[in-house]
Amino acid sequence: DAMVIQNPRYQVTQFGKPVTLSCSQTLNHNVMYWYQQKSSQAPKLLFHYYDKDFNNEADTPDNFQSRRPNTSFCFLDIRSPGLGDAAMYLCATEGGGYNEQFFGPGTRLTVL
Amino acid sequence: AQSVSQHNHHVILSEAASLELGCNYSYGGTVNLFWYVQYPGQHLQLLLKYFSGDPLVKGIKGFEAEFIKSKFSFNLRKPSVQWSDTAEYFCAVNYGGSQGNLIFGKGTKLSVKP
Repeated sequence: DAMVIQNPRYQVTQFGKPVTLSCSQTLNHNVMYWYQQKSSQAPKLLFHYYDKDFNNEADTPDNFQSRRPNTSFCFLDIRSPGLGDAAMYLCATEGGGYNEQFFGPGTRLTVL
Repeated sequence: AQSVSQHNHHVILSEAASLELGCNYSYGGTVNLFWYVQYPGQHLQLLLKYFSGDPLVKGIKGFEAEFIKSKFSFNLRKPSVQWSDTAEYFCAVNYGGSQGNLIFGKGTKLSVKP
């Protein structure tokens, strides 16, 4: 089945230690998103790619970076995680019109 | 500013009760409307969507929603809830058909008592 895959599902890191979360998709969609979701809150858009064009939200901290080496893969790099960065990180894709987004299962990040 | 409001933070119902979750959005232009569900420990799944046409849309698991343009609303309904409907429900609105412009409401947690 076509899908959005996120690895790992759970990630533990130490305060200040860089961490990378990965997302892959088999939908061949040209748009990929990264969201941060904290407990009992709505997903918050961090940035998105339209093909290789990167679009950063104005309030996304510089601590968060992203890479998209090809259509299928997208990475979220957190350069120096703080305690406030502990959250669920959701990857989503969009394609085929009408702006419907397809979400992956998320990576729950714990910062010690 | 573009925004989406979900008025109920937490709804508690007994099984077989009827459900209606409110969603209102700002802005009067072109919108695409979505309801997503997030079961405990799981990822966001699309329940239903509205792009155009019949304003009453039917989704999965017996859910439906009605788009009322004059009220800027897209309320979610189900005639008879089940314990398995316990989840968080998010209304989301895409403004203007552009990428990166999906605005989520804060979500409504639904607890269904068996």
